[in-house]
Amino acid sequence: GENVEQHPSTLSVQEGDSAVIKCTYSDSASNYFPWYKQELGKRPQLIIDIRSNVGEKKDQRIAVTLNKTAKHFSLHITETQPEDSAVYFCAAIQSGGSYIPTFGRGTSLIVHP
Amino acid sequence: EAGVAQSPRYKIIEKRQSVAFWCNPISGHATLYWYQQILGQGPKLLIQFQNNGVVDDSQLPKDRFSAERLKGVDSTLKIQPAKLEDSAVYLCASSLGEQETQYFGPGTRLLVL
Repeated sequence: GENVEQHPSTLSVQEGDSAVIKCTYSDSASNYFPWYKQELGKRPQLIIDIRSNVGEKKDQRIAVTLNKTAKHFSLHITETQPEDSAVYFCAAIQSGGSYIPTFGRGTSLIVHP
Repeated sequence: EAGVAQSPRYKIIEKRQSVAFWCNPISGHATLYWYQQILGQGPKLLIQFQNNGVVDDSQLPKDRFSAERLKGVDSTLKIQPAKLEDSAVYLCASSLGEQETQYFGPGTRLLVL
């Protein structure tokens, strides 16, 4: 089955700095990679996703890059704000018959004012 | 549009007791997921339905966990008998299709004593 590794587990930055979270996956059949933000005590919510036919996608301060050859993808947040503080999860969705999602363990992002 | 509904929101039981969780997905969403999220970890897929058929249940502890999605709409997840290690948040999610955005419910926080 798929294995998703996420790093770092904790990331502390100053307001205005950039934050980068990296994930690697093992199954080359995975072709859809969403990122979720989960605030304390709340449900995960999709913030951005990327499919394997593109290398980069951007939405305002958030961007995701994908390297299919190396099997890794990254979340980039620029000009961080305190409200960006949350746990971020990456996921890889396998294809080929069934589309099974596998999540990373999460990164706790803390943005200090 | 209404989101994914789950009940109950909290449940405390003693080990060896049974418990059931209910999920009502977003109207029209064919795919329904049940996840187990242990504190400090990412969501772990337990079972995935496409309409009323099971797509994947490879990580469902079938000796104690069962789930059904009658009529392809609402779903229930049952644990019988519960163990201490079942203490977690049980998240239900739904999506239009298997590689579409997943929308999560608020979760049921289970504590097994």
